[in-house]
Amino acid sequence: EAGVAQSPRYKIIEKRQSVAFWCNPISGHATLYWYQQILGQGPKLLIQFQNNGVVDDSQLPKDRFSAERLKGVDSTLKIQPAKLEDSAVYLCASSLDRAGGVDTQYFGPGTRLTVL
Amino acid sequence: GQQVMQIPQYQHVQEGEDFTTYCNSSTTLSNIQWYKQRPGGHPVFLIQLVKSGEVKKQKRLTFQFGEAKKNSSLHITATQTTDVGTYFCAGSPGTYKYIFGTGTRLKVLA
Repeated sequence: EAGVAQSPRYKIIEKRQSVAFWCNPISGHATLYWYQQILGQGPKLLIQFQNNGVVDDSQLPKDRFSAERLKGVDSTLKIQPAKLEDSAVYLCASSLDRAGGVDTQYFGPGTRLTVL
Repeated sequence: GQQVMQIPQYQHVQEGEDFTTYCNSSTTLSNIQWYKQRPGGHPVFLIQLVKSGEVKKQKRLTFQFGEAKKNSSLHITATQTTDVGTYFCAGSPGTYKYIFGTGTRLKVLA
């Protein structure tokens, strides 16, 4: 089965510019996560969707970050305007959302963002 | 807010030595997962523990979930160079939300 796809793989922008990341989860996976992973740290959950509804966005800096998941499949994460501290790898993950079962998260390769 | 801490932050071992990383949550968890991230890679799922006191084994890896469901450990017996990477625990308070730990970076010296 195809894995989680993300694009672009790398992005370099100037501060105050905007950037968007795209994620295509594994087919049939209801839950989609966006994580921010700063170098040397664990992934930090930014937003979690179940189908096309937001389950948790408590750690999403909503003044500059936005995310959507149209039709409950693909998702985009946008940063506008970017700050230096946004430099990180942005990971997308999906899971089947099978009640009572093992809730494995499958991660995409990530997008490495550098803000200059 | 809820925090998940791991110790140690780094561990260097000689090939063949054992390795253990410990994970502690500030609150009770419904389940805990473990992931491995190779240098330059993305996290890859290893296992999920759900029951209090649960112990699971995968070849040389042994995973434990504490009785109070607030801590967990991963033990690797006789490390190999292929074990190199960062090991993360991820605790869930429920609703499929996971809080990742700080990670333990393992280096294995041949």
